[in-house]
Amino acid sequence: QVQLVQSGADVKKPGASVRVSCKASGYTFTSHNIHWMRQAPGQRLEWMGWMHTGNGDTQYSQKFQDRVTITRDTSASTAYMELSSLTSEDTAVYYCATQEVYGRVGDYWGQGTLVTVSS
Amino acid sequence: QTVVTQEPSLTVSPGGTITLTCASSTGAVTSGYYPNWFQQKPGQAPRALIYDITTRHSWTPARFSGSLLGGKAALTLSGVQPEDEAEYYCLLYYGGAWVFGGGTKLTVL
Repeated sequence: QVQLVQSGADVKKPGASVRVSCKASGYTFTSHNIHWMRQAPGQRLEWMGWMHTGNGDTQYSQKFQDRVTITRDTSASTAYMELSSLTSEDTAVYYCATQEVYGRVGDYWGQGTLVTVSS
Repeated sequence: QTVVTQEPSLTVSPGGTITLTCASSTGAVTSGYYPNWFQQKPGQAPRALIYDITTRHSWTPARFSGSLLGGKAALTLSGVQPEDEAEYYCLLYYGGAWVFGGGTKLTVL
């Protein structure tokens, strides 16, 4: 069955960067695009960006354009999301999710990774 | 900046019917926005319910239906069950990028 397993919770200081991983199993990694979302405590979901896992193309939300990078390691069936210049407002649960079909997002989700930014 | 707007909260009685809507600041929502709907319960990851306006996932109960209504995407719950109490999010496509709505907290009372 399709599974996305994310890396564990992390604590970072303001100004640092964080990298969250998302390991996929149960399907051919390059057949599903990967999206990244986040949710601050008690707040709404935010879409951050996505990657075409086949060719590595990416697109990012304008809000995060200057600070986020999504990469992949196809040999490890793993996608990564790196967010730089962290502030306390980046404290959130970060999720990865698949997209198999054009226009259909989030069939499968990772369990979420809590990133806490605190001095 | 594009804004997607949902009702902040709604209340429905068990067995009732309710419609949640999703509006775009850019104008009427059409098929090209590929509306997706998600359900999220406290402490859980979101779960996909509907995509491409009307299509249910294999795991989505038939009481959930999607449509376009008055220039908005809509999610209708018919015969609401207590377990439908949750936050509901829509997601719209804007030419490569996606934007979530603010979410609707649905209370079943």
